[in-house]
Amino acid sequence: GQSLEQPSEVTAVEGAIVQINCTYQTSGFYGLSWYQQHDGGAPTFLSYNALDGLEETGRFSSFLSRSDSYGYLLLQELQMKDSASYFCAVMDSNYQLIWGAGTKLIIKP
Amino acid sequence: GAGVSQSPSNKVTEKGKDVELRCDPISGHTALYWYRQSLGQGLEFLIYFQGNSAPDKSGLPSDRFSAERTGGSVSTLTIQRTQQEDSAVYLCASALSGGPNNEQFFGPGTRLTVL
Repeated sequence: GQSLEQPSEVTAVEGAIVQINCTYQTSGFYGLSWYQQHDGGAPTFLSYNALDGLEETGRFSSFLSRSDSYGYLLLQELQMKDSASYFCAVMDSNYQLIWGAGTKLIIKP
Repeated sequence: GAGVSQSPSNKVTEKGKDVELRCDPISGHTALYWYRQSLGQGLEFLIYFQGNSAPDKSGLPSDRFSAERTGGSVSTLTIQRTQQEDSAVYLCASALSGGPNNEQFFGPGTRLTVL
């Protein structure tokens, strides 16, 4: 079956750096995406990695290793507004986005 | 429009009734997706439209679920004979195309409660 594994919850301190890991097992692979969802809100796109390596967008970076079926989202200079759930998602060979269960990021002052 | 819109925002229905959920995608977006999200869970893929056709209906949970898209724009998701386990937030997303590197833009969702 197809699955994505990510931690259910991560806690960090304001101003710190946090890494959210994602491992995947899917039929086909086109890329790894990350989405952010605040409580009661809709998911919003953060990043997409199709090739190995690190992609940086401001305070957020995303990494992919296709040989390890692994990626991570790195958040730097954490702000209270970053408190949200973060989902990794893989687009499989049928162009379906398969989603992880999400990581709830709790930020403490 | 400026973004993806969905209606109704909330729907409470009795078990056994039919419900229809509507999605208006961003103008010009050819790809449209329906997902279901239960509380504290990830998104469950339901169906994907490229234009008016749905190449993959395998995500629909049962034959009580159906969806259509007309004019390459508005889509409706219909759930017949609703069951309590259908209670969830139903999210619609659209993208410029169905390609793998196209960002999906989500609507606010419809929260369905089946009593």
